[in-house]
Formats: sequence, C-alpha cells, structure tokens
Amino acid sequence: DGGITQSPKYLFRKEGQNVTLSCEQNLNHDAMYWYRQDPGQGLRLIYYSQIVNDFQKGDIAEGYSVSREKKESFPLTVTSAQKNPTAFYLCASSRKQGHRGYTFGSGTRLTVV
Amino acid sequence: AQRVTQPEKLLSVFKGAPVELKCNYSYSGSPELFWYVQYSRQRLQLLLRHISRESIKGFTADLNKGETSFHLKKPFAQEEDSAMYYCALSGEETSGSRLTFGEGTQLTVNP
Repeated sequence: DGGITQSPKYLFRKEGQNVTLSCEQNLNHDAMYWYRQDPGQGLRLIYYSQIVNDFQKGDIAEGYSVSREKKESFPLTVTSAQKNPTAFYLCASSRKQGHRGYTFGSGTRLTVV
Repeated sequence: AQRVTQPEKLLSVFKGAPVELKCNYSYSGSPELFWYVQYSRQRLQLLLRHISRESIKGFTADLNKGETSFHLKKPFAQEEDSAMYYCALSGEETSGSRLTFGEGTQLTVNP
C-alpha cells in the first residue's frame, strides 16, 4: 500500500471535540510530515519530525498537536482550538539526509459537523 | 523566507498540443525544486526533480536561476496527463528537508 498508511479515510467530528489522525510508515524513513490541502491554497505544512521524540511546527501549527514516539508513527491531533478544521490532511515521509522527495499517504478527509 | 508561486490555477489544452505549467520561486540560497502530480483518485507522487535532470512521462523542467523559475513542459500533451500539478521547493537553509508547495495547477487535456 505504498509504504505509508493513513487512517481513517473519512472522519467526522463534532464541534468542540478533539480528533486524532493516524499515519504509519514502513519505509524506514526518518522524517515525517503533516500537510493540510485546501482548494486553491496548495499544501501547507502543519508539523514535521526528523527524528523520534522530536518535532517542529510548520506554517500553520495552531490548533494542532503531534507526537513521535516511534519511528513508524506520527499521529496528528486536531484540537477544538483549530478554527477551521474541515480539510484534507496528508501525511508524508522522507529520508532525512539527501532529500529525494516525499512519499505520501492517501489522505484523511476531516469534516466538522 | 521561501515561496513558490504557480500563477495558473487552471490550464486546459488539446491533446497533442504543447503544455507548459509555470512555477516561480523566491529563495535566497540554492534551492532544490520538484514537481509533484496527483491524478484523480490517486496519491500525490513525485514526478521529477531538477537535480536529476530526467524526463518522466515526456515531461521536463529546467531550473532557471536567473528568472527563478522551474516551468514544467511537455511537447505533446496526452489525455492521461490530466491531473493536479504542484511545484515544490526545498531550501538548504531550512531545517531538515521540509518542502514548500505552490498552490497547484489543474491541467485538463481535452480530446
């Protein structure tokens, strides 16, 4: 399945609830990333991690949180503080050294109801 | 700061016609540029990198540092080229290998 798996494919959240999106990779990649994809705005970086137990904010980190307890896993939590959470979320991974491009997951579509 | 601009949100051409998807960037150092493609109902995937100077599916892209551009070209478009295309930049000065993406161009190749 391309080495990187996102689940679920579709997610519905009520206002005021936190929700966690899963991202798992078996590519032995060091770096992992979360992007948000909105029509007309391209992909915007939320958080990224180059190594286990370390991560950095991207351009739109407010209202989101992540953890990197295992090399294979980089879950994203969309908190109630995120003002406009309805979007398509993409996870990606890459080698840390010598950037050769990302491998992307198939995405999770989050809808707030 | 680094920025990638794709001036055309939509581009429509006829099959067999040449196609050029524009990408401009701003970055003070020496960047790595990429093109990614997303076909309908498929994952976003790497199309090509400037550093490898390769042609993939008939597409080429040349990095023009003077004009800060990395336009994607194909001499004869095919219907299967219809997709969303993203230009992306990785800067040597940024932390790790994070990519900055443009807004994307939706290419439609008409029969």
